Amino acid sequence: DAGVIQSPRHEVTEMGQEVTLRCKPISGHNSLFWYRQTMMRGLELLIYFNNNVPIDDSGMPEDRFSAKMPNASFSTLKIQPSEPRDSAVYFCASSLRQGVEKLFFGSGTQLSVL
Amino acid sequence: AQKVTQAQTEISVVEKEDVTLDCVYETRDTTYYLFWYKQPPSGELVFLIRRNSFDEQNEISGRYSWNFQKSTSSFNFTITASQVVDSAVYFCALRLGVQGAQKLVFGQGTRLTINP
Repeated sequence: DAGVIQSPRHEVTEMGQEVTLRCKPISGHNSLFWYRQTMMRGLELLIYFNNNVPIDDSGMPEDRFSAKMPNASFSTLKIQPSEPRDSAVYFCASSLRQGVEKLFFGSGTQLSVL
Repeated sequence: AQKVTQAQTEISVVEKEDVTLDCVYETRDTTYYLFWYKQPPSGELVFLIRRNSFDEQNEISGRYSWNFQKSTSSFNFTITASQVVDSAVYFCALRLGVQGAQKLVFGQGTRLTINP
């Protein structure tokens, strides 16, 4: 069975450029999460969706970040314009339904903004 | 506020030793859930266990065991007879039981190195 699929695995870009990270959750999962991992701040929840609807985006750092989930099988996290401090590993995770189900994580996207 | 503290930043032991990873949490809620995740060198986080606040039974799964003590707000993880493949970063996490509040608050992680 395919797990959570993220693309790209690595992204190197220059400051000011737009970056789009992609995620395909596990089929049948109703909840999708975007996390960011840095050495300084650890794992932080950026935003999560239930049934394609954003529920809590209080973790999104600022207006440069936006996330969409146009359908149950696809989500994007966009940073525009990107800054060096956005460099991190971005994880997408999904879970079967609302509640206390465990999260299944993708392999992450390593983003480097030069 | 919800908080998870993993005081051990790094642990290094020799293979076959037992090792315990500490996790202390803070929450005012009476209903909550605790998790452990493993992050191997490949990068993805792998679920290990979930515990709810009403179930204080300790759990054993092979060489892994977990000790949940509400009195000390701790949820410690022990690996018995460690193996090199156990080398990873381990995260403890807390989720509130409030309906719709699906935020997992992670600790800073403990990097475990098992030396042959």
